Amino acid sequence: KAGVTQTPRYLIKTRGQQVTLSCSPISGHRSVSWYQQTPGQGLQFLFEYFSETQRNKGNFPGRFSGRQFSNSRSEMNVSTLELGDSALYLCASTGGGRSGTDTQYFGPGTRLTVL
Amino acid sequence: QKEVEQDPGPLSVPEGAIVSLNCTYSNSAFQYFMWYRQYSRKGPELLMYTYSSGNKEDGRFTAQVDKSSKYISLFIRDSQPSDSATYLCAMSAGSARQLTFGSGTQLTVLP
Repeated sequence: KAGVTQTPRYLIKTRGQQVTLSCSPISGHRSVSWYQQTPGQGLQFLFEYFSETQRNKGNFPGRFSGRQFSNSRSEMNVSTLELGDSALYLCASTGGGRSGTDTQYFGPGTRLTVL
Repeated sequence: QKEVEQDPGPLSVPEGAIVSLNCTYSNSAFQYFMWYRQYSRKGPELLMYTYSSGNKEDGRFTAQVDKSSKYISLFIRDSQPSDSATYLCAMSAGSARQLTFGSGTQLTVLP
């Protein structure tokens, strides 16, 4: 089974721009979660999508948004980029079944650098 | 204060040593506890998953959860250079898909 794929792997943007990151979950998985990883704050939960609906949301500003398509692929968008948005953005997929028993499988991440 | 505290290390041990990694937490609602391993430039990989208190063993790895003390541990026996990575504890209250992570401990196992 192919793992979670994320594209692009690396991105360089300038302040004020916007960016869209893509995540393809493991085949059959319906839940996609997004995390931000920085040296200072570690891994922080952004949001989770299940069946094209946002099910959970972390404590991030509205500049961070996402969506999920009918094939479970998900995109994350960050508008008006700030220097502090430089991070590794990780996507994780799960089957989306009974809460608490799912295993999250992470992709390799997209490393975003904001100049 | 962060909900999950983890000593960032770095921790350096000789090959064959027993490694002990720990996290403390403040949210008593946490009931699902996980340990992830992350190699450089890779995504985290799930190592151990425990529900509520108790011990769980898988090969060279043992996870312990003490909810009364709000303390979890991961033990690695007979450590190998291939175990060199960052180890992240993670926990959740109701959904395994919304995890709160520790800051990670960087481990190096010297041959």
